[in-house]
Amino acid sequence: GAVVSQHPSWVICKSGTSVKIECRSLDFQATTMFWYRQFPKQSLMLMATSNEGSKATYEQGVEKDKFLINHASLTLSTLTVTSAHPEDSSFYICSARLGTSLGQFFGPGTRLTVL
Amino acid sequence: GENVEQHPSTLSVQEGDSAVIKCTYSDSASNYFPWYKQELGKRPQLIIDIRSNVGEKKDQRIAVTLNKTAKHFSLHITETQPEDSAVYFCAASGNTGGFKTIFGAGTRLFVKA
Repeated sequence: GAVVSQHPSWVICKSGTSVKIECRSLDFQATTMFWYRQFPKQSLMLMATSNEGSKATYEQGVEKDKFLINHASLTLSTLTVTSAHPEDSSFYICSARLGTSLGQFFGPGTRLTVL
Repeated sequence: GENVEQHPSTLSVQEGDSAVIKCTYSDSASNYFPWYKQELGKRPQLIIDIRSNVGEKKDQRIAVTLNKTAKHFSLHITETQPEDSAVYFCAASGNTGGFKTIFGAGTRLFVKA
């Protein structure tokens, strides 16, 4: 149980375009989802916390107008990287929290390459 | 906000030896401390976790200790095997801040056969 999926697993796009990444909890309802970014050989950096039906809470230094997060249902959160640039190339990972548990379950990640 | 520091950044051990990774956290409100193993290009996998009301937890070759007073927690892997080679992350989270989890910088563990 507690499976989280992400789509796409990888994407290559041209500079200036927008890319949408989906995060789904497959067998449970996730009240809270988190979005992380991981650059090569670095740690996971929390970008934002997403709660169903409300606006996402962004970490300091993360541009909310560039990284649009929509948590429309208890099983789906989306991250849209708008006007992507090469420096946005990274591994984006979502995670979901099950109920009131303290743990979270990670998606497989999406590797974004912006040319 | 929470800040998690992790040491060492790289650790190389001989197969069969023990490996110890240490972390410190700053927010006394944090009450949940998971450890993740991440292989190249894959998602982090939870390997063990500990809550603030417990000082030690063990699962086969893996153990975690927590010192709440000092805000230290450590991962101990005994009888290391080559397949233990990966990047290990400690993390801290709590009821405040929406249960968000803050990760340490990671430790790259190499187990030499």
